[in-house]
Amino acid sequence: KNQVEQSPQSLIILEGKNCTLQCNYTVSPFSNLRWYKQDTGRGPVSLTIMTFSENTKSNGRYTATLDADTKQSSLHITASQLSDSASYICVVSYSNSGYALNFGKGTSLLVTP
Amino acid sequence: GAGVSQSPRYKVAKRGQDVALRCDPISGHVSLFWYQQALGQGPEFLTYFQNEAQLDKSGLPSDRFFAERPEGSVSTLKIQRTQQEDSAVYLCASSLGTGYREQYFGPGTRLTVT
Repeated sequence: KNQVEQSPQSLIILEGKNCTLQCNYTVSPFSNLRWYKQDTGRGPVSLTIMTFSENTKSNGRYTATLDADTKQSSLHITASQLSDSASYICVVSYSNSGYALNFGKGTSLLVTP
Repeated sequence: GAGVSQSPRYKVAKRGQDVALRCDPISGHVSLFWYQQALGQGPEFLTYFQNEAQLDKSGLPSDRFFAERPEGSVSTLKIQRTQQEDSAVYLCASSLGTGYREQYFGPGTRLTVT
């Protein structure tokens, strides 16, 4: 049973446009939430990590938000570039140790010229 | 500096064969993780090492899966008597400390069992 649900499953946008990816989770107790970018054939690369007390974090053109009350997170990508084409994975950690990760299935983003 | 490396990058095995997948973590990283990623899915946790100690192996799907990290650095994931459902990408990640720390992933080994 997947405790991290992402939407949409896939998304196509034009270069230069903005987009927002969604993540809902039921993992409890919550430790931290991470967004990863995974290029085809590569391992995931971390974009942001947020703990319970943080509700927004930015990394360049990527901005993640977290509402721990509703157990929702979003990843907003501004002024998309062709290189943003990848899978974006929401990952929630629930154990006190912080290491045990629950991965969503990812949103596949395609940025077209 | 060098990131996490994995070898081989691709492995094709006939059903019933044993395979060994290698992970070289970032030098000095205490924690090492193995994940299994089926096609179109997110990675799923397999096992966790802190130095040479395997602290969590709750994600290993069966006793055919075995992982070791004897000197607290390089790790090997071994799968015995491979089956078709073992086909997946096996990702290794390492982190500098323990607990809540950034995990750095390798490129993965794509295993195909025919």
